[in-house]
Amino acid sequence: EVQLVESGGGLVQPGRSLRLSCAASGFTFDDYAMHWVRQAPGKGLEWVSGISWNSGSIGYADSVKGRFTISRDNAKNSLYLQMNSLRAEDTALYYCAKGRGDGYNLDFDYWGQGTLVTVSS
Amino acid sequence: SYELTQPLSVSVALGQTARITCGGNNIGSKNVHWYQQKPGQAPVLVIYRDSNRPSGIPERFSGSNSGNTATLTISRAQAGDEADYYCQVWDSSTWVFGGGTKLTVL
Repeated sequence: EVQLVESGGGLVQPGRSLRLSCAASGFTFDDYAMHWVRQAPGKGLEWVSGISWNSGSIGYADSVKGRFTISRDNAKNSLYLQMNSLRAEDTALYYCAKGRGDGYNLDFDYWGQGTLVTVSS
Repeated sequence: SYELTQPLSVSVALGQTARITCGGNNIGSKNVHWYQQKPGQAPVLVIYRDSNRPSGIPERFSGSNSGNTATLTISRAQAGDEADYYCQVWDSSTWVFGGGTKLTVL
């Protein structure tokens, strides 16, 4: 059974940093692309970032480019999101999602339950 | 940037057919994916590449895509189908989601 478990969320002041993690199990992690998708309270889904199976291809939404960094450790079956210079508008539930294939241009076939990030002073 | 337009809400009578649209410029040339999100839960993929159902998704869910509109069709709607539905496409090396449609089963 595919499982994606996010962690690392919490309350953080504007301008500070936070690192999210996603622990994956139930599939061969290094065969698949992975993504971060967020959802602000009461709002829709917004893709944040994606990374191919070998980290060779990485993409970001314009809203986070230059502030967020996605990475993965295939030996640890883990996905990360380093979030710097956080803003109030980054407040959201952050989901980890598995891509259907090795490139990050395919749909997301499994999602975690999310970790909540609140940016407030 | 590419935009996807969905109706804010769609209502359907129990047992009838619901159609949720997703509009975009020449969306028929792209692969469209659909996600269902029930309150307090993570999204679930219900249709990928326009019309393909993942394993475990009922045959009542189907999709089509042509011209400037993609459509998610839910036949014989059930109370358990009440949820938010999002379309998604890949465009210019980025993922785009529609704003979401709230489906109400009456």
